[in-house]
Amino acid sequence: ETGVTQTPRHLVMGMTNKKSLKCEQHLGHNAMYWYKQSAKKPLELMFVYNFKEQTENNSVPSRFSPECPNSSHLFLHLHTLQPEDSALYLCASSQDDSPGLSGNTIYFGEGSWLTVV
Amino acid sequence: GEDVEQSLFLSVREGDSSVINCTYTDSSSTYLYWYKQEPGAGLQLLTYIFSNMDMKQDQRLTVLLNKKDKHLSLRIADTQTGDSAIYFCAEKADSWGKLQFGAGTQVVVTP
Repeated sequence: ETGVTQTPRHLVMGMTNKKSLKCEQHLGHNAMYWYKQSAKKPLELMFVYNFKEQTENNSVPSRFSPECPNSSHLFLHLHTLQPEDSALYLCASSQDDSPGLSGNTIYFGEGSWLTVV
Repeated sequence: GEDVEQSLFLSVREGDSSVINCTYTDSSSTYLYWYKQEPGAGLQLLTYIFSNMDMKQDQRLTVLLNKKDKHLSLRIADTQTGDSAIYFCAEKADSWGKLQFGAGTQVVVTP
């Protein structure tokens, strides 16, 4: 148990569906992230939220829409996905005090396995 | 090419030491991390090292950092079957939580 909880753990959706992934952290952190893990590719950072503000969008297609209503919750809204979007989506959190003061450890959730059919 | 590189596979006999190697390119990396991923699970932080350190030991784990060569290694002493997993090396640049990961090294421990 890392203190970062993701739901659902598994999701199968059609290309015309709308679904959402949810992440909740119980660590009191102020930064949350979405990463994508595809087969045979390194983990890719998708979005970064710090103090509920999006500070990074790593050229992610608009069919992925993040939402961070507060520093404990993060959503990834999914719409008209493609089969190549099938992957493990990992949420993470950390306590980052300011840019440049690195080193605060980043904790990951168990991930949400997404299959687009 | 990748900013962080790792060998893809390592086979080790139970009880032996495992050494997983990683090279990175960003000289401004301040922290370097090792994560473990078991099948069907997320990433578990194993250990990390600050860039001004050469070595860090934590029970069976020893991290060595050669900053000049931008080389990082993770040594697991007395490797057990429960150590079978994928191990990811990651570096952190100076922006918020932006970890650059390697592709992961699959470690298989044989009896």
